[in-house]
Amino acid sequence: GQNIDQPTEMTATEGAIVQINCTYQTSGFNGLFWYQQHAGEAPTFLSYNVLDGLEEKGRFSSFLSRSKGYSYLLLKELQMKDSASYLCAVSANDYKLSFGAGTTVTVRA
Amino acid sequence: GAVVSQHPSRVICKSGTSVKIECRSLDFQATTMFWYRQFPKQSLMLMATSNEGSKATYEQGVEKDKFLINHASLTLSTLTVTSAHPEDSSFYICSARWSRDYEQYFGPGTRLTVT
Repeated sequence: GQNIDQPTEMTATEGAIVQINCTYQTSGFNGLFWYQQHAGEAPTFLSYNVLDGLEEKGRFSSFLSRSKGYSYLLLKELQMKDSASYLCAVSANDYKLSFGAGTTVTVRA
Repeated sequence: GAVVSQHPSRVICKSGTSVKIECRSLDFQATTMFWYRQFPKQSLMLMATSNEGSKATYEQGVEKDKFLINHASLTLSTLTVTSAHPEDSSFYICSARWSRDYEQYFGPGTRLTVT
């Protein structure tokens, strides 16, 4: 089975940095995804990590350590529009995605 | 980028009726399509995986006779919720991928309300 854990909620101030951690235990590993989801909408792709290390993409960065079963998503220079749910998802060997429960990030002025 | 559409975006139906949701990949051929369900304030739960021309594979606890999936072509998969009940009310999201890509492309979702 798959077990993916991430915090339920985080709050940060506009312009600040927030780090969302994700730990996983899965049978098979074919990569880890981070998605952003606004209420009532489908998830949108943020990042993909399959090798250890940091992937940077503008204000968003994602890190992976396969040996530790650990990833984080780093959001820099937070903007109000970044208030959303952030989903950690692991792809198993058959390309199925198992999602964590999601972390609701609230950005305050 | 790859685009996936869903139709309808919202549907309200009466208890006991059936509802069909379409998922289309608009600019690529999807070798695999996935159907997810999301209840309020919860994450996405995979319901089933469908490959073109073959029977869908359902996740544990998902009734295959209630949630009929047809993947008739490389660009279209349908999910039919049969004999819908209020507890089937949810946000249904499809995604699609093609064989050379690691990414799944998500549709915009269908909000189903059963009264």
